[in-house]
Amino acid sequence: DTGVSQDPRHKITKRGQNVTFRCDPISEHNRLYWYRQTLGQGPEFLTYFQNEAQLEKSRLLSDRFSAERPKGSFSTLEIQRTEQGDSAMYLCASSPGMTGGAFFGQGTRLTVV
Amino acid sequence: DAKTTQPPSMDCAEGRAANLPCNHSTISGNEYVYWYRQIHSQGPQYIIHGLKNNETNEMASLIITEDRKSSTLILPHATLRDTAVYYCIVRGDNQFYFGTGTSLTVIP
Repeated sequence: DTGVSQDPRHKITKRGQNVTFRCDPISEHNRLYWYRQTLGQGPEFLTYFQNEAQLEKSRLLSDRFSAERPKGSFSTLEIQRTEQGDSAMYLCASSPGMTGGAFFGQGTRLTVV
Repeated sequence: DAKTTQPPSMDCAEGRAANLPCNHSTISGNEYVYWYRQIHSQGPQYIIHGLKNNETNEMASLIITEDRKSSTLILPHATLRDTAVYYCIVRGDNQFYFGTGTSLTVIP
């Protein structure tokens, strides 16, 4: 499968715990995006990488959220001290350049109890 | 902030063409229009994109008006599997701005 891969697909965690999600983009795609989607809403932009550089972060990305892409390939999104409001689908996408379409993974559904 | 306006919902009879409109009156000269769709509980699926000219691929056609202030996505022969939320996106800078999209229901 050469598409965008996200792991895990589902995560249930207790409030206050830390969670980490992984995204493997399509090979040779230098752009990688993280989005969050809640029920009934369109995806909301969180952050974006070009290669290993994190070039833009949304104000939605509080201090509890951190994203990395250490070697310009896979990326991780960590949420510290999770809150119930963090429950959402976390989507990763990659694109080959500035004008090409972005291809999304199937997402990680986080439930904070 | 979404830069597009779409009707919240539409119906289409199976086998007929589905025409999904989108307004993007504030689009800039170098901004592309993208269309995605999302089937329940799946990630958004890329459909098509364009700048000025009409575009066609194996999934759909994209018609962009001459002033670029609106566009229409055409699914030529809608099937039940085309039931989904369709997002029209104007790509601003480095990110894709999703609005709330159009929920298309294809009716047997």
